[in-house]
Amino acid sequence: AQSVAQPEDQVNVAEGNPLTVKCTYSVSGNPYLFWYVQYPNRGLQFLLKYITGDNLVKGSYGFEAEFNKSQTSFHLKKPSALVSDSALYFCAVRDRGGSNYKLTFGKGTLLTVNP
Amino acid sequence: DGGITQSPKYLFRKEGQNVTLSCEQNLNHDAMYWYRQDPGQGLRLIYYSQIVNDFQKGDIAEGYSVSREKKESFPLTVTSAQKNPTAFYLCASRTWDGLYGYTFGSGTRLTVV
Repeated sequence: AQSVAQPEDQVNVAEGNPLTVKCTYSVSGNPYLFWYVQYPNRGLQFLLKYITGDNLVKGSYGFEAEFNKSQTSFHLKKPSALVSDSALYFCAVRDRGGSNYKLTFGKGTLLTVNP
Repeated sequence: DGGITQSPKYLFRKEGQNVTLSCEQNLNHDAMYWYRQDPGQGLRLIYYSQIVNDFQKGDIAEGYSVSREKKESFPLTVTSAQKNPTAFYLCASRTWDGLYGYTFGSGTRLTVV
């Protein structure tokens, strides 16, 4: 079975400060990992993914994430937060060896960036 | 532009009624998914389909039904057996290899009145 945990329901940061949204995962094999962002009353938008290779992945809007196999984590980061980054963020995982390609999503973390 | 279109954006249902949510994609994706989103509960999988004329139940399929007669279309019917249907419903699709994750529609908000 595969699972994802986002330990923080909410994260608050001041504009211009660095932000981190945490994600840990569990899979039986090697993972494919994804981050999505959701604005109010909208669908999820893809931010970035880790498939293989470099552990530091860069994505849209200046976001990046670091894959840490020993800690089974894939935290989302941004060096300088913007008010417009305020949204709901989802981490997702699937087992690379899985046959049905289903993603398992975390419960989401609400990021609020204060002016 | 390629994408997924969900309609309607807002839908109101009376008690005891069946309603159908539309999901259409022009991405030539093989697999399609329906999720339900409630505050604080993340995304819960209702049904998914990996090929035409085939679909599987997800984690919360009771009270819902689907069909997949065309590759482009995966409509979801919320039946009267679904006791608490008020939620935000999201449709998604993926390429055959799943390496790019899912592409999501913009959602349908269903409210029981």
